[in-house]
Amino acid sequence: GAVVSQHPSRVICKSGTSVKIECRSLDFQATTMFWYRQFPKQSLMLMATSNEGSKATYEQGVEKDKFLINHASLTLSTLTVTSAHPEDSSFYICSARRLGGDEAFFGQGTRLTVV
Amino acid sequence: SQQGEEDPQALSIQEGENATMNCSYKTSINNLQWYRQNSGRGLVHLILIRSNEREKHSGRLRVTLDTSKKSSSLLITASRAADTASYFCATDATTDKLIFGTGTRLQVFP
Repeated sequence: GAVVSQHPSRVICKSGTSVKIECRSLDFQATTMFWYRQFPKQSLMLMATSNEGSKATYEQGVEKDKFLINHASLTLSTLTVTSAHPEDSSFYICSARRLGGDEAFFGQGTRLTVV
Repeated sequence: SQQGEEDPQALSIQEGENATMNCSYKTSINNLQWYRQNSGRGLVHLILIRSNEREKHSGRLRVTLDTSKKSSSLLITASRAADTASYFCATDATTDKLIFGTGTRLQVFP
């Protein structure tokens, strides 16, 4: 099956710093990728849709200046959590689909802890 | 919120028993998908059912879809301890986005 690789798997950062999370589709091209956030024992909440070569589409309530998304190539999307605060601590997961495909392939997730 | 709801929120059973999880959603869909998540990990796709299908099987998994009631169920037969995980339904409408349900945490005791 298709593989989506997410890096890093864990990161601890200090309040006020920025953290970049990478999401790569390893064996297919993805014009669209999706970023989710998950709190402990809760479901995945869609944050934004990352569009290759254009601006990301953010879900209601998600601060686009806080969560910067860049999709510069057909295989890479990045999520940067800017000026991180403890309340940004969460599990962030990306996903991508093959063009025309229905099944979503997920990265392994990134556990962000802001101290 | 667009999010669908699943019940039960948590389910504990013995190995060999069947596990049934239900999902309700709010909008018209193209398809509905079920995913599994082991603790602190990414999600794995289990099965997809299209809006014009009513039932689908894959190994020990059986999925039903009732679009008139906007609901789906996932049945895992002859459960195993290795089935312990969280299970999520996700709906795919016309927007190409997957919207996830609240999830069911399944615990299978040996």
